Amino acid sequence: NAGVTQTPKFQVLKTGQSMTLQCAQDMNHEYMSWYRQDPGMGLRLIHYSVGAGITDQGEVPNGYNVSRSTTEDFPLRLLSAAPSQTSVYFCASSNNAGYTFGSGTRLTVV
Amino acid sequence: SQQGEEDPQALSIQEGENATMNCSYKTSINNLQWYRQNSGRGLVHLILIRSNEREKHSGRLRVTLDTSKKSSSLLITASRAADTASYFCATAYAGGTSYGKLTFGQGTILTVHP
Repeated sequence: NAGVTQTPKFQVLKTGQSMTLQCAQDMNHEYMSWYRQDPGMGLRLIHYSVGAGITDQGEVPNGYNVSRSTTEDFPLRLLSAAPSQTSVYFCASSNNAGYTFGSGTRLTVV
Repeated sequence: SQQGEEDPQALSIQEGENATMNCSYKTSINNLQWYRQNSGRGLVHLILIRSNEREKHSGRLRVTLDTSKKSSSLLITASRAADTASYFCATAYAGGTSYGKLTFGQGTILTVHP
């Protein structure tokens, strides 16, 4: 039982590049979310999903897209990377209980 | 803006002492959850308390919820050096999908000295 798997663990992007952060869970959880964590800011919700085909915006959605074509996968797309998107990104999933978090992706945009 | 605010921002205690962290929030909730994060790692779910519950226990953890004051506290009894971590409260809005959208506070950094 792998839980929530995030890839890659580390990434360096140049300003303007695009990329996709992958997130997969094998627990058949309905709910999945993406957060970013910045020093002194706690975790801020980017996008979340309550089931396949259903997504909604969180607190800081600008510059990010998501889709949920399957229950297992919830990729986060950075459309045109900016230095302000330098952060640690966490994916999490839940099924009417507490969330299970992935180990995070540390992204640096230069 | 974030829903939960935690107090204190940092707490330093000796092993064996109790640690209390507080969380306040702004809107009606369905449930409140506490998480732990060790440095550089993902968050680990500790306990969930629903809006109709007032107190919950799990091992050395005790959580209280006062919906009239919109506040919660996390008590860790007989702390150990291994409890050193950041602790976050997170709230699920009453108006939204209960478990789909969690909002986190900024966290309390707990240091337990051996």
